[in-house]
Amino acid sequence: GENVEQHPSTLSVQEGDSAVIKCTYSDSASNYFPWYKQELGKGPQLIIDIRSNVGEKKDQRIAVTLNKTAKHFSLHITETQPEDSAVYFCAATLTSGTYKYIFGTGTRLKVLA
Amino acid sequence: EAGVTQFPSHSVIEKGQTVTLRCDPISGHDNLYWYRRVMGKEIKFLLHFVKESKQDESGMPNNRFLAERTGGTYSTLKVQPAELEDSGVYFCASSQEWGGAFFGQGTRLTVV
Repeated sequence: GENVEQHPSTLSVQEGDSAVIKCTYSDSASNYFPWYKQELGKGPQLIIDIRSNVGEKKDQRIAVTLNKTAKHFSLHITETQPEDSAVYFCAATLTSGTYKYIFGTGTRLKVLA
Repeated sequence: EAGVTQFPSHSVIEKGQTVTLRCDPISGHDNLYWYRRVMGKEIKFLLHFVKESKQDESGMPNNRFLAERTGGTYSTLKVQPAELEDSGVYFCASSQEWGGAFFGQGTRLTVV
């Protein structure tokens, strides 16, 4: 069945350094890839997304890259800050007017001050 | 604009009891989804409503789970009777056709 693998499961970086989280999806028909940030006690918050007709998208300190051939997509956070500490989830889906997401298992990011 | 809201935020019930979770989507969002995260694993899809109709309920674990969305506004997810393995965090999300899904804060269900 459809599957999304996410690595690493935990990631610790020094404040100011960059963080990279990688995901691989199995369904080549997937065409929409959102990233969610979940802070303690809160629900997942959409932080950036990318569609399959785009290779890279950037929003201030965060960027997402997509390699359709390899079925890989990655989240890049630059100049990390303590408030970036959270659990990050990648997801993949088909955008046929619905968003049934297949989620990765999550990455717990710790930014050390 | 209010986001997706879920009630209650926490629920502790005994095995065999019934629990009903509620979700109020963002106003104007026809698509409403239920997801569940069990024991720190990935967030898994349960079902999808378009307005009041069930579009996809392929993720519902078994017939102890019943979701409704009368009138196409808020939705409820009832678990009856609850089992220990039903413990987890239940998320609701809503979306318009052209945008990403917005999640609520979740309901943490503990079955003891």
